[in-house]
Amino acid sequence: DAGVIQSPRHEVTEMGQEVTLRCKPISGHNSLFWYRQTMMRGLELLIYFNNNVPIDDSGMPEDRFSAKMPNASFSTLKIQPSEPRDSAVYFCASTEGSFKLFFGEGSRLTVL
Amino acid sequence: AQSVTQLDSHVSVSEGTPVLLRCNYSSSYSPSLFWYVQHPNKGLQLLLKYTSAATLVKGINGFEAEFKKSETSFHLTKPSAHMSDAAEYFCVVITSSGSARQLTFGSGTQLTVLP
Repeated sequence: DAGVIQSPRHEVTEMGQEVTLRCKPISGHNSLFWYRQTMMRGLELLIYFNNNVPIDDSGMPEDRFSAKMPNASFSTLKIQPSEPRDSAVYFCASTEGSFKLFFGEGSRLTVL
Repeated sequence: AQSVTQLDSHVSVSEGTPVLLRCNYSSSYSPSLFWYVQHPNKGLQLLLKYTSAATLVKGINGFEAEFKKSETSFHLTKPSAHMSDAAEYFCVVITSSGSARQLTFGSGTQLTVLP
């Protein structure tokens, strides 16, 4: 079992650039979650999908953030334009519905 | 509305001594409760979960937690700390209503294990 796969693991970019983070959930899982982790705010739920449909995006900080899940095996989180305060570790997690979340290893974003 | 409070941001114990990481929650619905562990530069890993079965839950690596509804607590314990237990621990509450889930993470407790 490959687990939840996130890419890139590390991203350094300049303010104003577009950033795209990718996630491949575990095969057969029907829910996918995007989290952001910072020292100041801890873990924040940004958005989650159930059967590829966004259920709750109330955690998305602002319009610069968007997430898509075009199919059951792929999701993206996009930030455009990026800002230094977006620097964080972004986690993707998936579950088959049992509440047991499987997390990826995270994408560490640094915006200069 | 629901919330999770991890009462200690940092806990330091000596190797071989007991560990207690405290978590209190509030929820309008019957919650499922979880503890996750995060080692440096790693994703979160499930330690244990409570989903309305036995109130004393045993997890991996010798950890266990007891759900106490009267105290709205779900404290994590381990009889004897090991150096490899040094990590950050998150208490999580999940409630479900239809197809919607509400997940709330605690702010985390950093566990340091001293030799």
